[in-house]
Amino acid sequence: GAGVSQTPSNKVTEKGKYVELRCDPISGHTALYWYRQSLGQGPEFLIYFQGTGAADDSGLPNDRFFAVRPEGSVSTLKIQRTERGDSAVYLCASSLTGGDNQPQHFGDGTRLSIL
Amino acid sequence: AQTVTQSQPEMSVQEAETVTLSCTYDTSESDYYLFWYKQPPSRQMILVIRQEAYKQQNATENRFSVNFQKAAKSFSLKISDSQLGDAAMYFCAYGPYGGATNKLIFGTGTLLAVQP
Repeated sequence: GAGVSQTPSNKVTEKGKYVELRCDPISGHTALYWYRQSLGQGPEFLIYFQGTGAADDSGLPNDRFFAVRPEGSVSTLKIQRTERGDSAVYLCASSLTGGDNQPQHFGDGTRLSIL
Repeated sequence: AQTVTQSQPEMSVQEAETVTLSCTYDTSESDYYLFWYKQPPSRQMILVIRQEAYKQQNATENRFSVNFQKAAKSFSLKISDSQLGDAAMYFCAYGPYGGATNKLIFGTGTLLAVQP
């Protein structure tokens, strides 16, 4: 079946603009995660959804970052007033459930570049 | 807070040889999960192997095996009969057991080159 799909693959925008990144998880997966991967680093956790609700948003760096998952499927990560330091690859992952640390299946990521 | 350390930024191996990638972690928990993920240039993180800390037996997946030393908080990955397709960035990750969150904590990665 289809894997985790992320759009767009690449996004280039100017400092101060608003961006939305989309994640379409594997069908039937109730758990969804967002990570941010800066150049030369491992992914860093941002937020975890179980169904429609954010079970853990402790990784969001500040209030410019927000994520939603209104119907428990597709999720959108929103970044307001972008800064150059927001440039990174944003990875989305999903798992069948959130329990027993089910294996997380990752998408190809969105490479965000802030000019 | 949990941390994961990968002390080898780069490694190289000859095709068909064996290579071991190191990982250490720190946690005060007694139950948890450990993972190795592979990230080729396509950026997609691919799960290589998973270990439950409460299991003493080391996990194995075909040519990939781990050496899990719980007391030493060490979790190394051994790749046998290395193939050109194994060339990638490898990340070690820690995952909690139970609780309200299932976030993974990743190390900084080891870039593996496979020489023909």
